[in-house]
Amino acid sequence: KAGVTQTPRYLIKTRGQQVTLSCSPISGHRSVSWYQQTPGQGLQFLFEYFSETQRNKGNFPGRFSGRQFSNSRSEMNVSTLELGDSALYLCASSTTGGGYTEAFFGQGTRLTVV
Amino acid sequence: TQLLEQSPQFLSIQEGENLTVYCNSSSVFSSLQWYRQEPGEGPVLLVTVVTGGEVKKLKRLTFQFGDARKDSSLHITAAQPGDTGLYLCAGERGEGSQGNLIFGKGTKLSVKP
Repeated sequence: KAGVTQTPRYLIKTRGQQVTLSCSPISGHRSVSWYQQTPGQGLQFLFEYFSETQRNKGNFPGRFSGRQFSNSRSEMNVSTLELGDSALYLCASSTTGGGYTEAFFGQGTRLTVV
Repeated sequence: TQLLEQSPQFLSIQEGENLTVYCNSSSVFSSLQWYRQEPGEGPVLLVTVVTGGEVKKLKRLTFQFGDARKDSSLHITAAQPGDTGLYLCAGERGEGSQGNLIFGKGTKLSVKP
């Protein structure tokens, strides 16, 4: 079974630009979550999608947005990039059974804003 | 304020030593997971604990969930260089799968041969 695939792996953008990151979840997983990881703050929850609907949202500005498609693939968009947006962006897919979340992460997209 | 506090932040030990990593909170979690992350990679799920007092073993790794479901520990016996990595605990509040995990900042473990 293929794991979670994130593209691209690395990205360098200039302040003020926007960026779109892509995530393909494990086949059969309908929940996709996005996290931002920085050395200072660790992993912070951005948002979660289930069946094309955003179910949860973390405490990030509106510049961070996402969507999920009917095949469960998800994209995350960051507009008007700031230097502080430089981070590893991780996507995780999870199953819906069992009553709890077990997240399976992709390798991440390393975003550098210059 | 970090909801999940991990300690220690850094740990450097020799091969063969034992170690324990702690994950503490003042909040109750319905489940708690432990992950290991290597540089440049995403976290990899090691175990999930859901019942207060639960103990799970994975080869040389022993995980325990506190009775009150507010804390957890990871004990590694006879550490090996391959155990090197960032160990993260993550908790979920509320019942059901909502995809929102709260992560600790991690314990960076280095095991020297």
